[in-house]
Amino acid sequence: EVQLVESGGAVVQPGGSLRLSCAASGFTFEDYTMHWVRQAPGKGLEWVSHISWDSGSTNYADSVRGRFGISRDDSKNSLFLEMNSLRTEDTALYYCVKDAVVAGYEAFDIWGHGTMVTVSS
Amino acid sequence: EIVMTQSPATLSVSPGERVALSCRASQTINTNLAWYQQRPGQAPRLLIHGASTRASGIPARFSGSGSGTEFTLAISSLQSEDFALYYCHQYNHWPYTFGQGTKLEIK
Repeated sequence: EVQLVESGGAVVQPGGSLRLSCAASGFTFEDYTMHWVRQAPGKGLEWVSHISWDSGSTNYADSVRGRFGISRDDSKNSLFLEMNSLRTEDTALYYCVKDAVVAGYEAFDIWGHGTMVTVSS
Repeated sequence: EIVMTQSPATLSVSPGERVALSCRASQTINTNLAWYQQRPGQAPRLLIHGASTRASGIPARFSGSGSGTEFTLAISSLQSEDFALYYCHQYNHWPYTFGQGTKLEIK
């Protein structure tokens, strides 16, 4: 079964840092572009960041660029999101998401259940 | 950034009816558009990609159409499990963007 399981969400103070992890299973992780997508409570979906299958390309939403860093460890089938200088507006459920095609960019076919990040003093 | 606008925000319909949800892009995205369904407390689920291709396991009552800037998700003969939130998503340009969602509720 194809599965993505996020972890690392917590309550953190403004200005703090957090590292999210995503464990992938059931597919050849190294072949796929991976993404983080977030959803603030009661709000819509916001794409946060991507990393290509070969780690050669990354991109970020303007709202997080310079504060967040995405990475992957193919030997451990894991995706990461390093979050620094956190703001109250970063409060959201963070989804780990798999791209639908091998070595390319397409829609998001597999989503994890999400990990909650709350930024509050 | 490409702005995705969905309409209407909420649609009240009865089971068994047919509905059409609209999504408009602020600039052309060819057919690089997906639709997702999100039920309360669940992660989104891919329904349609490439504007009109059903994802694996998606019932035939879901269909997508459009290209360029205008797109439609049609659901024929609504079932109880179809009452949910629906999002469109463009993956033609960075940053990827989503519409604000259409809520399908029981009339």
